[in-house]
Amino acid sequence: RKEVEQDPGPFNVPEGATVAFNCTYSNSASQSFFWYRQDCRKEPKLLMSVYSSGNEDGRFTAQLNRASQYISLLIRDSKLSDSATYLCVVNRDDKIIFGKGTRLHILP
Amino acid sequence: SQTIHQWPATLVQPVGSPLSLECTVEGTSNPNLYWYRQAAGRGLQLLFYSVGIGQISSEVPQNLSASRPQDRQFILSSKKLLLSDSGFYLCAWLPPRQGDYEKLFFGSGTQLSVL
Repeated sequence: RKEVEQDPGPFNVPEGATVAFNCTYSNSASQSFFWYRQDCRKEPKLLMSVYSSGNEDGRFTAQLNRASQYISLLIRDSKLSDSATYLCVVNRDDKIIFGKGTRLHILP
Repeated sequence: SQTIHQWPATLVQPVGSPLSLECTVEGTSNPNLYWYRQAAGRGLQLLFYSVGIGQISSEVPQNLSASRPQDRQFILSSKKLLLSDSGFYLCAWLPPRQGDYEKLFFGSGTQLSVL
């Protein structure tokens, strides 16, 4: 079983829709959690950290459930510019593991 | 300011040739350093990481090796490249502990094609 697993995707959604990404991690000792965004052939960029209390940044909301070892990302009112691959990331003792990513296509 | 340099940007190498990719970080000390590989259409695979000079953790058995001869220098090497070594190689660094906020900074990557 992979340490970080995400929805396989791709997701094709119309502009303005709400999109939800799911991620699970296998090691309960994992300490910190993030969502990164990667555009084609570019390096990943941090979208947001994920806290147990949940956190929001504009149209983006991240949630963490440590008991279920589950992380989510919600994008509201999606824009064409949101098209990218979304990567779930877990840090366990300085070992930073990326999920395979979920590709998102926003359709005009 | 803190920056990361990774070179070259692209590399075409024949099978069986050696490889050396270098990554250096400026503007910080004692960073954690990482090498990832991304095959075409695939996710980022952690290859090596280092929490200090001379300390290397290997994640995937393969014909690659890594070294950290200086605090801010991380080198990825191979004695003989395989076709399967083709991919997008990314170096990244993580600042020393900053409480709840952690951000992994990436180099711009090296696209390696083994022919």
